[in-house]
Amino acid sequence: AQSVTQLDSQVPVFEEAPVELRCNYSSSVSVYLFWYVQYPNQGLQLLLKYLSGSTLVKGINGFEAEFNKSQTSFHLRKPSVHISDTAEYFCALVTSGSARQLTFGSGTQLTVLP
Amino acid sequence: DTGVSQDPRHKITKRGQNVTFRCDPISEHNRLYWYRQTLGQGPEFLTYFQNEAQLEKSRLLSDRFSAERPKGSFSTLEIQRTEQGDSAMYLCASSSQGGAREKLFFGSGTQLSVL
Repeated sequence: AQSVTQLDSQVPVFEEAPVELRCNYSSSVSVYLFWYVQYPNQGLQLLLKYLSGSTLVKGINGFEAEFNKSQTSFHLRKPSVHISDTAEYFCALVTSGSARQLTFGSGTQLTVLP
Repeated sequence: DTGVSQDPRHKITKRGQNVTFRCDPISEHNRLYWYRQTLGQGPEFLTYFQNEAQLEKSRLLSDRFSAERPKGSFSTLEIQRTEQGDSAMYLCASSSQGGAREKLFFGSGTQLSVL
């Protein structure tokens, strides 16, 4: 079985500061990795995904993530956050052989303070 | 493209009652998913349709739960004899293709509260 662990349930950060949201995964088979964002009263939106190739993946809104196979991690980063980045962020995976059963982490609430 | 819509947005019911939720996917999407999200947790997979065929069901989907997609367009999720543990956000998602490059579009969800 596979699992996703998001180490921080809440991350407060001041506007224009850098942020890193941590994600570790466990799987005995190859995985594809995703970060989703959920703004209040909205559906989940895909930020970025890692399928193969370059381990540094760039997504929307200036976010990027780095796949580290040896550390089984997929941390999300942004060099300078804005108030509008306040949202819940979910790391997720799907095993390459599955029929798209996304396994999500428990989420990290990012709060950007003025 | 009006996105994935779910109805109702909120549902409050008494324990033991039946409830039904509806999901309208993006019109050209042939794949449809239901997920459940409880407070403080990430979404959990419930079931998956390709067109009208229900191809996967999670063991979370007890016999009180049934999902249909009769014409391969909208889908309904029914919960019979609701229990307080059914209180959660029920999310629907759709996509147009499978494989590694599949992109899911999520609706805003139906928040169920069982009293």
